[in-house]
Amino acid sequence: EPEVTQTPSHQVTQMGQEVILRCVPISNHLYFYWYRQILGQKVEFLVSFYNNEISEKSEIFDDQFSVERPDGSNFTLKIRSTKLEDSAMYFCASRPSTGSYEQYFGPGTRLTVT
Amino acid sequence: DQQVKQNSPSLSVQEGRISILNCDYTNSMFDYFLWYKKYPAEGPTFLISISSIKDKNEDGRFTVFLNKSAKHLSLHIVPSQPGDSAVYFCAASFGNEKLTFGTGTRLTIIP
Repeated sequence: EPEVTQTPSHQVTQMGQEVILRCVPISNHLYFYWYRQILGQKVEFLVSFYNNEISEKSEIFDDQFSVERPDGSNFTLKIRSTKLEDSAMYFCASRPSTGSYEQYFGPGTRLTVT
Repeated sequence: DQQVKQNSPSLSVQEGRISILNCDYTNSMFDYFLWYKKYPAEGPTFLISISSIKDKNEDGRFTVFLNKSAKHLSLHIVPSQPGDSAVYFCAASFGNEKLTFGTGTRLTIIP
């Protein structure tokens, strides 16, 4: 069964450093999302992406964050200058273009900012 | 922002019995509701969903009920199995876009 994959599974970085989290969505899906879950809190929406542009973003998704679909398979989340409070699990999700609201999630990347 | 609430942080159920997980929402614009299951160190796994035009959807051992007037939905698992032990998240969507999640309920099935 097709699945969303994410790399790396765990990333440790120092405050102020840039990180890029990578995702490979399910191949025939056209809508892509990033969510995050801070330890002990709920899963929160960050950004949605369709047709090579951001369709919606949350207030968390400030100028330090960016997303890109550099080729036909990868979908990346970049944090330009990480802060301690960016430490969280980051989940990528994708959805087919029609007929389905269900979003399918990857296993997540645990980001630890020290 | 508590648009989707799961008031029970945990629930324990005997194997073979029915598990009932509850979820309340405040935003009447939500038109689609989903349940996800999550194991530690894994991403949420889609379980079952329901459109706001329906009041029940069934898939095998899982049934979701929607009460729009009460802004309440529930997930029934019957019979409960040890592999059902996980955290269950309720999520809601408006206009086929972002998901708004509840805080989750940890379900433990007792053998």
